[in-house]
Amino acid sequence: RKEVEQDPGPFNVPEGATVAFNCTYSNSASQSFFWYRQDCRKEPKLLMSVYSSGNEDGRFTAQLNRASQYISLLIRDSKLSDSATYLCVVNPNAGNQFYFGTGTSLTVIP
Amino acid sequence: DAGVTQSPTHLIKTRGQQVTLRCSPKSGHDTVSWYQQALGQGPQFIFQYYEEEERQRGNFPDRFSGHQFPNYSSELNVNALLLGDSALYLCASSLVSSSYNEQFFGPGTRLTVL
Repeated sequence: RKEVEQDPGPFNVPEGATVAFNCTYSNSASQSFFWYRQDCRKEPKLLMSVYSSGNEDGRFTAQLNRASQYISLLIRDSKLSDSATYLCVVNPNAGNQFYFGTGTSLTVIP
Repeated sequence: DAGVTQSPTHLIKTRGQQVTLRCSPKSGHDTVSWYQQALGQGPQFIFQYYEEEERQRGNFPDRFSGHQFPNYSSELNVNALLLGDSALYLCASSLVSSSYNEQFFGPGTRLTVL
């Protein structure tokens, strides 16, 4: 079983829509969780760390469900500039190896 | 505040050759991790260096080796290149004392093996 699994999409949504991505992880002892954004042929950039209580940053909301071992990312009022691949990342032992999902592709359509 | 830098940007090699990639971490960071990202895939962890020692290693063969220098910069060496080694190689830096251990990535080196 893969450490991290994501729906690869693609998700094609109109501007202004709300879109949600989910990601599951296999190691129940995992400590740290992140969402990264990656534009075509660029490096991943940290979008949000995901905290146990959930956290929000403007139009972006991240949630962690430890019981079901999944994390989610909600994007409200989608912008054209949100078009990218969103990578779910799990750090099982808080310090060393990061496990990345394969990424979910989002295209926001005018 | 200087971010993570990597060199070279692009590299073309032939099978059997050896390659060295370089990374300078973000200012203030002491830990460097290397990842391989094949087309359409998420990054795969190669290894991590801290205090000039390999701290953890992913599922990569011994052809992949690395080094960290006293100034925290790092090198990734790949020997006996295979066609399947063609990928984007990413370096990420972090601070070991950080409570959440976010990693910040450099722009990557795109390696093509012919």
